[in-house]
Amino acid sequence: EAGVAQSPRYKIIEKRQSVAFWCNPISGHATLYWYQQILGQGPKLLIQFQNNGVVDDSQLPKDRFSAERLKGVDSTLKIQPAKLEDSAVYLCASGGNANTGELFFGEGSRLTVL
Amino acid sequence: EDQVTQSPEALRLQEGESSSLNCSYTVSGLRGLFWYRQDPGKGPEFLFTLYSAGEEKEKERLKATLTKKESFLHITAPKPEDSATYLCAVRDDYSSASKIIFGSGTRLSIRP
Repeated sequence: EAGVAQSPRYKIIEKRQSVAFWCNPISGHATLYWYQQILGQGPKLLIQFQNNGVVDDSQLPKDRFSAERLKGVDSTLKIQPAKLEDSAVYLCASGGNANTGELFFGEGSRLTVL
Repeated sequence: EDQVTQSPEALRLQEGESSSLNCSYTVSGLRGLFWYRQDPGKGPEFLFTLYSAGEEKEKERLKATLTKKESFLHITAPKPEDSATYLCAVRDDYSSASKIIFGSGTRLSIRP
């Protein structure tokens, strides 16, 4: 079974530029999550989708971050304009059953903002 | 505010030296506590789910236990390949969503 795919793996941009990350979850998984992980910290939930609807985006900085999930499958996370403090790993995860905590994570997209 | 606190932040052990990692939580409606392992440059990998106080789960050298306020991840006779960051997470139901909140992790290093 294919895992969660993310791209790009690495991205370096200057502050005020924009960037987009892509995630392809495990086939059939209804829930999709974007987490932000700053070095030395645990993952912080940014947004959670159930199929193509948003169920939680309370910690998404909506003035600069946006996310969508197309047709309940792939998802993109965009940052515009980026700030220095956005430097982090952006992890995508999917889950087959919202009643369990078993999430399947991709390898992440590491963003460096200069 | 819901919180998940892990201790210690880092732990260095000699191969074969058993120890425990702690995860304490304050959530309004706990619907599960989870342990994950994260290797450098990788996403977290699921290890265990615990639902109720007194429950225990085991996998190789790892055993997770749960009380009403905290969970422990016991590691018995660890090997260098057990070196990783161990993350604790809780599921807190609110409205119709199921939010999974992670702690900051414990970085475990096992010396040969």
